[in-house]
Amino acid sequence: DAMVIQNPRYQVTQFGKPVTLSCSQTLNHNVMYWYQQKSSQAPKLLFHYYDKDFNNEADTPDNFQSRRPNTSFCFLDIRSPGLGDAAMYLCATSRDLGYEQFFGPGTRLTVL
Amino acid sequence: QKEVEQDPGPLSVPEGAIVSLNCTYSNSAFQYFMWYRQYSRKGPELLMYTYSSGNKEDGRFTAQVDKSSKYISLFIRDSQPSDSATYLCAMKPSGGYQKVTFGIGTKLQVIP
Repeated sequence: DAMVIQNPRYQVTQFGKPVTLSCSQTLNHNVMYWYQQKSSQAPKLLFHYYDKDFNNEADTPDNFQSRRPNTSFCFLDIRSPGLGDAAMYLCATSRDLGYEQFFGPGTRLTVL
Repeated sequence: QKEVEQDPGPLSVPEGAIVSLNCTYSNSAFQYFMWYRQYSRKGPELLMYTYSSGNKEDGRFTAQVDKSSKYISLFIRDSQPSDSATYLCAMKPSGGYQKVTFGIGTKLQVIP
């Protein structure tokens, strides 16, 4: 089945220690998104890639970076995680801009 | 005022009941309306996707949009314990790429 895969499902890191979360998709979609979702809150868009074109949300902290080496993979790098960065990180894809988004299962990040 | 308002619940109903989930919004530019289901510790799953006003039915689920009142609803008929999840409404304007705005989700529990 075509799908969005996120690894790892659970990630524990220490305060200030860089961490990378991974997303891959077999849908061959052009657009990939990263969202942050804290407990009982709406998903918050961090950035998206349209093909290789990176689009950052204005309020996304510089601490968050992303890479998309090819169509299938996208990475979220948190350079110096703080306690406030503990959250579920959701990757989503869509066929093109403005189309329905399909989400992966998420990576739950814990910062100690 | 938030762009999208959604009662977080929790909402508890007996198995077989009709469930009504609702969102209100303030941005009259919203044209596309979605409902996602999110099981605990999983990513959101798209349930319904509608454009502009009207009703859309898919099995036990009916999505309703009233743009004049800026009010959307999701009805679940013959609710099952497996429907227990958080339901997020989401919406966006039309025209090229537009960011999706999510509600915080309503937690539903269907009791056997």
